[in-house]
This record gives sequence, C-alpha cells and structure tokens, in this order.
Amino acid sequence: QKEVEQDPGPLSVPEGAIVSLNCTYSNSAFQYFMWYRQYSRKGPELLMYTYSSGNKEDGRFTAQVDKSSKYISLFIRDSQPSDSATYLCAISTVDSNYQLIWGAGTKLIIKP
Amino acid sequence: EPEVTQTPSHQVTQMGQEVILRCVPISNHLYFYWYRQILGQKVEFLVSFYNNEISEKSEIFDDQFSVERPDGSNFTLKIRSTKLEDSAMYFCASSEGQVSMPYGYTFGSGTRLTVV
Repeated sequence: QKEVEQDPGPLSVPEGAIVSLNCTYSNSAFQYFMWYRQYSRKGPELLMYTYSSGNKEDGRFTAQVDKSSKYISLFIRDSQPSDSATYLCAISTVDSNYQLIWGAGTKLIIKP
Repeated sequence: EPEVTQTPSHQVTQMGQEVILRCVPISNHLYFYWYRQILGQKVEFLVSFYNNEISEKSEIFDDQFSVERPDGSNFTLKIRSTKLEDSAMYFCASSEGQVSMPYGYTFGSGTRLTVV
C-alpha cells in the first residue's frame, strides 16, 4: 500500500470555480501535512502546512485534515488562471526526522 | 525574499561521466537536502545534511552519490558514474532549523539532469 496517494489529474475547471484537491495516507503516525505548488520547470513552493485535524485558512486557500479518515484536502476559492500548476501534498513525522513523503501531485488547469 | 539557488538549470552528460550539481542554500539555514523527481513520478528524498555530515539518506543514495559543503555556502551533489536512470530533476532544499522543519523547506528551482 502506497504511503501517500494523490490523483495525478489533470483537473480542469473554469475560472472562479472552487477547487478541491485531495490526498489519502496510510500511516496514522504521520503528523505534519503540507501542500506545495509546483509550476512547470520550477521547484515546489510551500503553500500551507498544518499538524492538527481541522481547517486552516490563508486567503483563498484552505487546508483541511481529517486524521480519523487519513484524508487531507486543499480548497482553492475563486480560482484564477495563475493557480494552474501541479499541487503536491507532502507529509512528515518526527520519527522520520521530518523527511517529506510526497503524493504524486495533481495537475490543475484553470480555464479563463 | 531569500531563495535557494541551483546551477546549472540543465545538464546533459554522457553515461558513465561524473556530474556535480550545485546549490546555494539560504544563508541562515542549517539543514540541507537533495530530492529528485523522475519525469512523471513522485518527488523522492535522497539525502539530508546537517553540521557537515549526512544525517539521513534513502536507498536511492548509494555509493555513486556523495554530498559536500565545500566552502560554507555551496552544497553539492556528486554522481560519480551516471546511469540513464539518473535522468531526473534534482531539487536542493534548505531549512532553518528543527523548529521549522515540520513545516516544510524552501526548494530551489531544480537542475534537470539528462544522461545520454
């Protein structure tokens, strides 16, 4: 069983739509949950991080963690064409010295 | 905003040749990492480096790989005898310290290594 699963997409939505991106994970010991955005030919850029179940909001972005279901989500409101990128979830734990374990990344396309 | 700088952006090398990928981490960061991403696949951890020594490495990081911080600012990844399957994007990352580590690292833009 893969440690972190993420649908690679592509996910194509019209501008202004609410986007929902998701990952599931297998190890209940995972503690820290991050979302990275990666533009083509660029390195991953940290968007949001959280370590507790519940929601965390930052502008148009909301990160949600459900530890009981081992499910994490990133919501993007009022999506813009500039949000078109690959979104990667990454998870870590103190036991692994915070080594990041990555999802496959979901390619998001926002159509003007 | 401080950034991690990687050079070159693209390197083409012949199979069996040695390559050195270079990174300049953010100046006050203490932890350094190399990750790689084979085209169409997940990002994979290679190695972490702290206090001038490797703190952790993955199964991928075999004897063909080595890392060095030669001069207090650069952080390099050397692949001694490249194989076709080493073709990938290689990302350098750095982190300020243990307190900030759970919350992710700052990544460079990557070096695309093509082995022919």
